Amino acid sequence: GAGVSQSPSNKVTEKGKDVELRCDPISGHTALYWYRQSLGQGLEFLIYFQGNSAPDKSGLPSDRFSAERTGGSVSTLTIQRTQQEDSAVYLCASTPWGAGGYTFGSGTRLTVV
Amino acid sequence: GQQLNQSPQSMFIQEGEDVSMNCTSSSIFNTWLWYKQDPGEGPVLLIALYKAGELTSNGRLTAQFGITRKDSFLNISASIPSDVGIYFCAGQQDTGRRALTFGSGTRLQVQP
Repeated sequence: GAGVSQSPSNKVTEKGKDVELRCDPISGHTALYWYRQSLGQGLEFLIYFQGNSAPDKSGLPSDRFSAERTGGSVSTLTIQRTQQEDSAVYLCASTPWGAGGYTFGSGTRLTVV
Repeated sequence: GQQLNQSPQSMFIQEGEDVSMNCTSSSIFNTWLWYKQDPGEGPVLLIALYKAGELTSNGRLTAQFGITRKDSFLNISASIPSDVGIYFCAGQQDTGRRALTFGSGTRLQVQP
């Protein structure tokens, strides 16, 4: 597509439930990133996929967080047993080769109640 | 871990004024970038810097990559109301983790 597409744009979930967030990167972009942005804060790195290489998961805050990227394209970020502190905007970005400026999606605003 | 110190945290200025914000780091970065984020949107790339000492302009925006590779600044000249938003610096290293490290942002408000 023309840009990075994320869905849903908003998600409200009950504490303890699992959620899946989807990212559809720009076609042909080999690198895909997930970031988390808490209210009024900067962007916190979560995970990075580059081509067929093993993903860099060093930013995932706990084992409740996981992500997949199928076929080198669409990615899903899964949060299990959600907690209130997981409430944030989750942003996905892609680049053609993993360097330089990312193109971000509009994000998924997750609210855990 | 790597951290970028971005300042100021917020600015409230009059339309037409010039603005300056900067980022410093204890680590060396080989790429510096500046982004702007509007409410409800993802950050949008404004300027990318790839060489130490590089000075790059994009319209009313000017950014520089510090000689030490540990800092960068962004200037906005003759501000207009649509400059309102949050500005983020970001740094990237060529080795190890390729993900960008972001500053905490500068919130800019412009009074017409």
